[in-house]
Amino acid sequence: QVQLKESGPGLVQPSRTLSLTCTVSGFSLTSYGVSWVRQPPGKGLEWIAAIWSGGSTDYNSALKSRLSISRDTSKSQVLLKMNSLQTEDTAMYFCARSSLPGSPFDYWGQGVMVTVSS
Amino acid sequence: DIVLTQSPVLAVSLGQRATISCRASQSVSISSINLMHWYQQKPGQQPKLLIYRASNLASGIPARFSGSGSGTDFTLTIDPVQADDIAAYYCQQSRESPLTFGSGTKLEIK
Repeated sequence: QVQLKESGPGLVQPSRTLSLTCTVSGFSLTSYGVSWVRQPPGKGLEWIAAIWSGGSTDYNSALKSRLSISRDTSKSQVLLKMNSLQTEDTAMYFCARSSLPGSPFDYWGQGVMVTVSS
Repeated sequence: DIVLTQSPVLAVSLGQRATISCRASQSVSISSINLMHWYQQKPGQQPKLLIYRASNLASGIPARFSGSGSGTDFTLTIDPVQADDIAAYYCQQSRESPLTFGSGTKLEIK
């Protein structure tokens, strides 16, 4: 069955770089896109970035200068890097699948909590 | 960016109809395809897709959930509301990047 699982450090110091991994199973990254979505505690959802089945990428313009999304199809993993972390980046980070640009997120991971603090 | 506006809270009685609205700052439709989707999120869980492209029920979702709307105005209806439906509901547009979500509507029981 389709599964997505996020992993990464629970705690990151301010100004450092965050590296998150989304490991997928039950589908191929060459057939589906994967996005990262985050949710600060008690707040709403914010789309961060996507990597599509053909390998093209898309970023939230508000965060673009700090982001990098990539994938390793042999490992079925999507990687997100975000630099210059601030306390406002404290959030639950989810990865989610969509078939094409324009499609909904039909499967989501359980999320990984990231806290930015010294 | 396309801004999606939702009311923060909706209180309904069990067994009654809940109508949750989402208004977009510009049209999210392309050639009659409405690129608006709805998600349910319960505390401590990931979002779950309920409705895609405004009115299509996602797999495994009960038929008491339905969606409607076009252009800039969309509605999620739950009829009848059950205790298990207590959650936050988010609309999301995929018309253009950046993909955006509404701020969410928390469904409460009267």
